[in-house]
Amino acid sequence: DAKTTQPNSMESNEEEPVHLPCNHSTISGTDYIHWYRQLPSQGPEYVIHGLTSNVNNRMASLAIAEDRKSSTLILHRATLRDAAVYYCILRDTGNQFYFGTGTSLTVIP
Amino acid sequence: GAVVSQHPSRVICKSGTSVKIECRSLDFQATTMFWYRQFPKKSLMLMATSNEGSKATYEQGVEKDKFLINHASLTLSTLTVTSAHPEDSSFYICSATPGLTYNEQFFGPGTRLTVL
Repeated sequence: DAKTTQPNSMESNEEEPVHLPCNHSTISGTDYIHWYRQLPSQGPEYVIHGLTSNVNNRMASLAIAEDRKSSTLILHRATLRDAAVYYCILRDTGNQFYFGTGTSLTVIP
Repeated sequence: GAVVSQHPSRVICKSGTSVKIECRSLDFQATTMFWYRQFPKKSLMLMATSNEGSKATYEQGVEKDKFLINHASLTLSTLTVTSAHPEDSSFYICSATPGLTYNEQFFGPGTRLTVL
């Protein structure tokens, strides 16, 4: 199973940008990179996904390295509601998600 | 986005009893559903993949006779924890997707199981 590595925790000031890194050095050519976030005692929530090109949506941006061995989730202006555990996940052709340890993001008012 | 529900949200049971957890896709047909468990302050661990009308595929180390999964319709999958013990206490989360070519998994809100 492909694996991802993320920092255990990060902090950000409110209304400042946040860059959450993820390493996935064993990624295969067909693996999609997904990001989900989870609030305490809730199911994960979709944030963004991509394959090779950078992606933008209303929640965040995803920057994917040219060799695809790493990616960065960018929250443009962190709010208190963005405090959560963020998971970087590789999705294989079987559509299974194998979660890593995730990054716990704290947003400081 | 698509909505997935779970029932019950919380359940407390006695050791030795069986507990059934339901996972429903409310506004789409889910050809594939997944079951995860999550211990406190830990990540989600995939338990099994369930395709409608066929037997579930269990991850290594997950006892199929302990965790019975039924995916009888395109909108419902059930997880039954048989002969539950305190070590089965956990947060159980399901997810659903309309198909293998679909990019997203839609997650349910989770079920907190406590076995006394």
